[in-house]
Amino acid sequence: KAGVTQTPRYLIKTRGQQVTLSCSPISGHRSVSWYQQTPGQGLQFLFEYFSETQRNKGNFPGRFSGRQFSNSRSEMNVSTLELGDSALYLCASSLPGSGGSDSPLHFGNGTRLTVT
Amino acid sequence: GDSVTQMEGPVTLSEEAFLTINCTYTATGYPSLFWYVQYPGEGLQLLLKATKADDKGSNKGFEATYRKETTSFHLEKGSVQVSDSAVYFCALIRYGGATNKLIFGTGTLLAVQP
Repeated sequence: KAGVTQTPRYLIKTRGQQVTLSCSPISGHRSVSWYQQTPGQGLQFLFEYFSETQRNKGNFPGRFSGRQFSNSRSEMNVSTLELGDSALYLCASSLPGSGGSDSPLHFGNGTRLTVT
Repeated sequence: GDSVTQMEGPVTLSEEAFLTINCTYTATGYPSLFWYVQYPGEGLQLLLKATKADDKGSNKGFEATYRKETTSFHLEKGSVQVSDSAVYFCALIRYGGATNKLIFGTGTLLAVQP
C-alpha cells in the first residue's frame, strides 16, 4: 500500500508570492492533517480535514489555508509568503476515528519550502 | 493548555549502550501518548503508543510506559544501534476529542557511535 505522498518535495519562493502544497493520503484514509516543522518552533499543528470539512485549526494566521477534496486528497495554500514561512510542511493521514488512539497518523516525507 | 516536555539533546551514545529519553506531559483528561521517530530527510514514523495509564508501548526494542502518577512517558531501549540515530518526538492527543491534533515535544536528537 502506498504511503502518504507529498508534492513537491522542495520549493523555493520569493517573499510576497503564494504557494500551494499537495498531499495524497493513504488509500482509505479520510482524515488529513498538516504540520509545520521549523528549528525554532518545532512541530506545530496547522489544520485537520475530515470528509472535506476542516474540523480543527491551529494558531496560524489566515494566510495559511487548506482544503480537502472528495477523494481525500488535500492542499494547503500560503499567501503573501514571509521569510518565517520557510519550513518543512508535513502532511499526515489516518482512518476515521477520534483521538488517534484507534488510528495512528501516517506522515509523508514533507515539502521543504524556502522563502527568499 | 496541553503540552509535552522532552529532555534536551543531543544524546550521544556508543553502540549497545542503554537509552533513556525523558518525556513528561501536561494535559486535561486522559491523553493518548506517542513516540515518533524522524530519520534524516524523511517524515515522522510512529514508533510506539499507549492509550491509557500503565499501558506499555513497545516496538523494535524500544519501550515506554504511560505513567499517570508522574505524567511521564519515557522512551527506553536496552541496546542501541547506529541505525537508531534519528530525532525522537514525544507527542500526545487529547482523549475524546474528534481530532487528530498531535501536540509534540521539541524532539531529541540521538547520535549512536560505532
